[in-house]
Amino acid sequence: AQKVTQAQTEISVVEKEDVTLDCVYETRDTTYYLFWYKQPPSGELVFLIRRNSFDEQNEISGRYSWNFQKSTSSFNFTITASQVVDSAVYFCALSPYFGNEKLTFGTGTRLTIIP
Amino acid sequence: DSGVTQTPKHLITATGQRVTLRCSPRSGDLSVYWYQQSLDQGLQFLIQYYNGEERAKGNILERFSAQQFPDLHSELNLSSLELGDSALYFCASSVDIGDYEQYFGPGTRLTVT
Repeated sequence: AQKVTQAQTEISVVEKEDVTLDCVYETRDTTYYLFWYKQPPSGELVFLIRRNSFDEQNEISGRYSWNFQKSTSSFNFTITASQVVDSAVYFCALSPYFGNEKLTFGTGTRLTIIP
Repeated sequence: DSGVTQTPKHLITATGQRVTLRCSPRSGDLSVYWYQQSLDQGLQFLIQYYNGEERAKGNILERFSAQQFPDLHSELNLSSLELGDSALYFCASSVDIGDYEQYFGPGTRLTVT
């Protein structure tokens, strides 16, 4: 069985602060994918990143960065110099590498950026 | 805009009724997924189709069914609706199976009264 835990239900930070969203996962698979999605107030789910379990390199995309640590089963997401537009619910998700491609989502972290 | 379209955007219906939600995947995508987002259960995978065939099933109720047509659009049918079926239903699509991102549509918000 697969499980994703996002222990932070809600986070509020002042604009321009850095913020890290935590994600811890459980899986018996030796190979798998990890994802982050953003759900702004408008409701759609926006794909942010996919990382396969072979690749533990950290990734940076603009103000976003991701830290994947297989040893602790964590895939944390950091937003640097946060902006009001970053306010959203962020979901971490997990899927097997082969076969059943369903995404197992965490419960989400609601991030509010205070101007 | 992900390229995945879903209709209708909102749907309000009464208990016991049946509704059909429609999804058009991104051009060229063969795989379609349905997810339900509710306050109680969070985001849950319901079912996946690949090129017209059912590929995977998740926590989909027997009152729910889906299909993918030859033009690759998909429909999710919900019958004997209950208040607890009120949720946001998302469709997602991917190019193929396995090593591909799933792109989500804007969702259909279903309210059962």
